[in-house]
Amino acid sequence: DVKVTQSSRYLVKRTGEKVFLECVQDMDHENMFWYRQDPGLGLRLIYFSYDVKMKEKGDIPEGYSVSREKKERFSLILESASTNQTSMYLCASKRGRSGRLNTEAFFGQGTRLTVV
Amino acid sequence: GQQLNQSPQSMFIQEGEDVSMNCTSSSIFNTWLWYKQDPGEGPVLLIALYKAGELTSNGRLTAQFGITRKDSFLNISASIPSDVGIYFCAGRTDSNYQLIWGAGTKLIIKP
Repeated sequence: DVKVTQSSRYLVKRTGEKVFLECVQDMDHENMFWYRQDPGLGLRLIYFSYDVKMKEKGDIPEGYSVSREKKERFSLILESASTNQTSMYLCASKRGRSGRLNTEAFFGQGTRLTVV
Repeated sequence: GQQLNQSPQSMFIQEGEDVSMNCTSSSIFNTWLWYKQDPGEGPVLLIALYKAGELTSNGRLTAQFGITRKDSFLNISASIPSDVGIYFCAGRTDSNYQLIWGAGTKLIIKP
């Protein structure tokens, strides 16, 4: 089974702190994604990466950056956390660019971040 | 930008009832996906559809790719307590391999 593991289930950080959210996948997937989930808004793509050291902005990249130094690990960084970044953060990984069954995205369990 | 409307936003149902939810798009999609998110967990893929008109089942779940390629529905038959959670649809167009997500349908079973 594909496993996507996020380093923390729950985090509480103070406004202005630098926050790192880590995600690791064990299936050698090329693509990795960071989403945030807010009630009534579904999943919104923050950043994605289709290869090591490559990154692309998603729909809501402002206030975030990412790092992909190794294929299995994709980090989301909040340079200076703000209260409006309180949310559920979901990491996903996917094989290839096209879609076929068994190549669609697998998600981690999520990190619920609260910024106070 | 591309829009994907998912309805209903939430559903209160009795155990044993059938459930139906749908998604409509302003764009033509070549893929429709249905995911379920259990409370406190990440979404898990339930059904994937790749062809207009396709009807696919996964146990008590059945999903269809609309013939216009702009909609999809998910049916759950004879709901049970473990069906509670949030169901998301997601679609992909020919021009962009990124997924577009619906806002989710929250399923709640009345005690």
